Amino acid sequence: GAVVSQHPSRVICKSGTSVKIECRSLDFQATTMFWYRQFPKQSLMLMATSNEGSKATYEQGVEKDKFLINHASLTLSTLTVTSAHPEDSSFYICSAFSSGRTDTQYFGPGTRLTVL
Amino acid sequence: DAKTTQPTSMDCAEGRAANLPCNHSTISGNEYVYWYRQIHSQGPQYIIHGLKNNETNEMASLIITEDRKSSTLILPHATLRDTAVYYCIVSISGTYKYIFGTGTRLKVLA
Repeated sequence: GAVVSQHPSRVICKSGTSVKIECRSLDFQATTMFWYRQFPKQSLMLMATSNEGSKATYEQGVEKDKFLINHASLTLSTLTVTSAHPEDSSFYICSAFSSGRTDTQYFGPGTRLTVL
Repeated sequence: DAKTTQPTSMDCAEGRAANLPCNHSTISGNEYVYWYRQIHSQGPQYIIHGLKNNETNEMASLIITEDRKSSTLILPHATLRDTAVYYCIVSISGTYKYIFGTGTRLKVLA
């Protein structure tokens, strides 16, 4: 099956610092990766779509300067939360997609971010 | 963009079939129906997907009505490990983007 990893699995940082989260597709090349966030007891909310070699497309209401996304290769996308604040504390989940494989998104295990 | 409607919660006895319904009355002809589940504090796990025909795999069966306006996910013999939130998703046509609804919280009872 398709395996997607995320690193780190959990991170605690101080307010004002930046945090980088990595998303890797381990056994297939992902033409597209998606980033979601999930607050407690809520559903997943799509933040942005990331295509390899091009700029990410952000959903309405998501600040692109705060959530920097880089998709440098077909197996790696990174999300950097810049100048993090306590309200950015959330569960961040990525997914990887490859058209023509199964047209299905495969999700990573998630990263729990806590901003103090 | 198609939206889905699911019951908020359901209970199922261990060993019995769990039937989870989903309405997607505005689905377009080329949009797939996907089912995922999420166990607490983990990423969503893919279960099954389909377009028109019924589908079956080692995890579940997916029954799609002829008019494609609704579907049912069937877990044939539910176990305690199947307790999770189940999401029915219709991807946005031409984008492969998912918009998650609130899902169904399935609780399998011993």
